[in-house]
Amino acid sequence: DIVMTQTPLSLSVAPGQPASISCKSSQSLLHSDGKTCLYWYLQKPGQPPQLLIYDVSNRFSGVPDRFSGSGSGTDFTLKISLVEAEDVGVYYCMQSIQFPYNFGQGTKLDI
Amino acid sequence: QVQLQQWGAGLLKPSETLSLTCAVYGGSFNTYYWSWIRQSPGKGLEWIGEINHSGGTNYTPSLKSRVSISVDTSKNQFSLRLTSVTAADTAVYYCVGFRWGFGFDPWGQGALVIVSS
Repeated sequence: DIVMTQTPLSLSVAPGQPASISCKSSQSLLHSDGKTCLYWYLQKPGQPPQLLIYDVSNRFSGVPDRFSGSGSGTDFTLKISLVEAEDVGVYYCMQSIQFPYNFGQGTKLDI
Repeated sequence: QVQLQQWGAGLLKPSETLSLTCAVYGGSFNTYYWSWIRQSPGKGLEWIGEINHSGGTNYTPSLKSRVSISVDTSKNQFSLRLTSVTAADTAVYYCVGFRWGFGFDPWGQGALVIVSS
C-alpha cells in the first residue's frame, strides 16, 4: 500500500498569516497518462470532507485562490496564502494512483 | 449538480451485518465511480471500496473478506454491506462519488454506525 505522510499534524496560525502543509507519498503518484493522482481535502467540524485541490495544483470549483497546491512525484505541499477563520478544520492529502486509495493522517488547523 | 443521500441502520450488535444505501440525484450516474469511505471516532479517513455503473468493484484488502458494494442503476443507487461487524467498525460512513482526475466529490452527509452489545 502507498503510505501518505503529512506534516505537521497540527498547526496554529493567526488570521492573515500563511500556512503550509506537507504531504509525502511512499511511491510516485505520477500516472502514465500524465496526471498526478494527489488531492487535498478539508474537513470542517461536523461536516464531510470537501475537495480543495485535484491533480496536485488545480483548485476545485468554488475554492478560494488563497489555496494553492504544488509538488511532484512523491512530495507535495498545500499552501494557504492568508488564513481566514473559516479555514479551520482538518486537511487531508489523498492518493488515487493505486488501490487501496489512502489518505494522510490529517493536519488540524486552528486559528 | 450531483447530490447524495444515504441511509441505513445506525445501531448494530457484534456479528450483525451493516447495510447502507446511497441515492444519487442529478448528473450522470455512469460518469462516476461510487465509493464508501469511513471515519472512526476521532480518526482519519479510510477508503472501503468502489463500484462503477457496470458493477465492477475494488475493495481495500483489510475489509475485502467482509465487504460488498452493489449498484442498482435503475434507481441510481449503490449500497454497502459489511458482515460480522465488531466495535472496530463503529464509524461515520460516507458515500462518495469519484471521477478520475478530479477526486472525491460529491460526498453524502455521513451516517454514524455504532456497533455495541
